Amino acid sequence: GAVVSQHPSWVICKSGTSVKIECRSLDFQATTMFWYRQFPKQSLMLMATSNEGSKATYEQGVEKDKFLINHASLTLSTLTVTSAHPEDSSFYICSADTGLGTEAFFGQGTRLTVV
Amino acid sequence: AQTVTQSQPEMSVQEAETVTLSCTYDTSESDYYLFWYKQPPSRQMILVIRQEAYKQQNATENRFSVNFQKAAKSFSLKISDSQLGDAAMYFCAYTGGSQGNLIFGKGTKLSVKP
Repeated sequence: GAVVSQHPSWVICKSGTSVKIECRSLDFQATTMFWYRQFPKQSLMLMATSNEGSKATYEQGVEKDKFLINHASLTLSTLTVTSAHPEDSSFYICSADTGLGTEAFFGQGTRLTVV
Repeated sequence: AQTVTQSQPEMSVQEAETVTLSCTYDTSESDYYLFWYKQPPSRQMILVIRQEAYKQQNATENRFSVNFQKAAKSFSLKISDSQLGDAAMYFCAYTGGSQGNLIFGKGTKLSVKP
């Protein structure tokens, strides 16, 4: 199946700093990528839909100025958590589909801890 | 809005036995897809099985099969000959034909006893 690589797998940052998470489709082009957030022992919640060459679409309640998404190429989408605070600590997962079917391919996820 | 409900927070099964995980969903769309994903402790999401709504035949992947009841909006997962490696969180998920993003249930934690 298609491969999606997410980096870093874990990061610890100080409160007030920004963190960038990358999501790459390694062997296919992804015009659309999705960013999810998963709190401990909870399900995945869609944060935003990332579209190549255009602005991301954010779900209700997700601050677009805090969670900056850039999808500058067909193989890379980035999520930047700006001015991170402890409540932003979570597991962030990206996914992409090939456009040929409906199977989503997930990155490995990023565990963000803000101290 | 579409919703996915998993009513079993936790399930347990004896090794080599069979277990069924429940999932119901709500949608007004006629074209959609349903999935079961496995999330082991590594938290990598792994596709277990997929079902297209327009197909009446239930999907099967080796030891994994589904019971898809479209009228009842039910989509259960049956795991046969359970193995220790099957222990994980299992998420039922839905996507509409034109959306792409997945809507997940709350998950069922499956334990496998040796």
